[in-house]
Amino acid sequence: AQSVTQPDIHITVSEGASLELRCNYSYGATPYLFWYVQSPGQGLQLLLKYFSGDTLVQGIKGFEAEFKRSQSSFNLRKPSVHWSDAAEYFCAVGDQTGANNLFFGTGTRLTVIP
Amino acid sequence: DSGVTQTPKHLITATGQRVTLRCSPRSGDLSVYWYQQSLDQGLQFLIQYYNGEERAKGNILERFSAQQFPDLHSELNLSSLELGDSALYFCASSAPGSTGTQYFGPGTRLTVL
Repeated sequence: AQSVTQPDIHITVSEGASLELRCNYSYGATPYLFWYVQSPGQGLQLLLKYFSGDTLVQGIKGFEAEFKRSQSSFNLRKPSVHWSDAAEYFCAVGDQTGANNLFFGTGTRLTVIP
Repeated sequence: DSGVTQTPKHLITATGQRVTLRCSPRSGDLSVYWYQQSLDQGLQFLIQYYNGEERAKGNILERFSAQQFPDLHSELNLSSLELGDSALYFCASSAPGSTGTQYFGPGTRLTVL
């Protein structure tokens, strides 16, 4: 069965510092992988997605993620964090059996300190 | 703005009551998904509709039901509400052949007192 693990519940970084949020997935084939961001009181915004091809994918707001099949990981990175990046980040794997519904991790809350 | 709309934004009701949440997908999207976000269960897939037909079911309770209408908007009906049903309910939509890229609405926050 599909599953996603985000091992870090809460991360605090200084503004301007680099960021890496971890995501590990379990899926029997090549997965469809997503990162979403949720600001307080808001819905989920798609940051980036991976279906196939180049394992380094670029997203919005300066984020990127790298798919590593050998490690079953899809970590999200940003070279320099801005205060507005404070939010909850969710990694998700897509069910390819027809429904395409998403299985989400438990999320990582990012706090940015000045 | 994702283009997915949900109403109402907030809903407060009492145990035992029934409520209806409404979702309008992005223009051109045929699939609608419903998710529940709660503190103890996280984000869970409830049900999917594609062009008016139920496509997949997730962890949806028997007290909950959904439908998608000919104009493609969808409604999620929650009945015999319990305190534990308090959560944020999201709707998402995706286009045909979009390999699962889903765009989420702003959610409806349901509080059951």
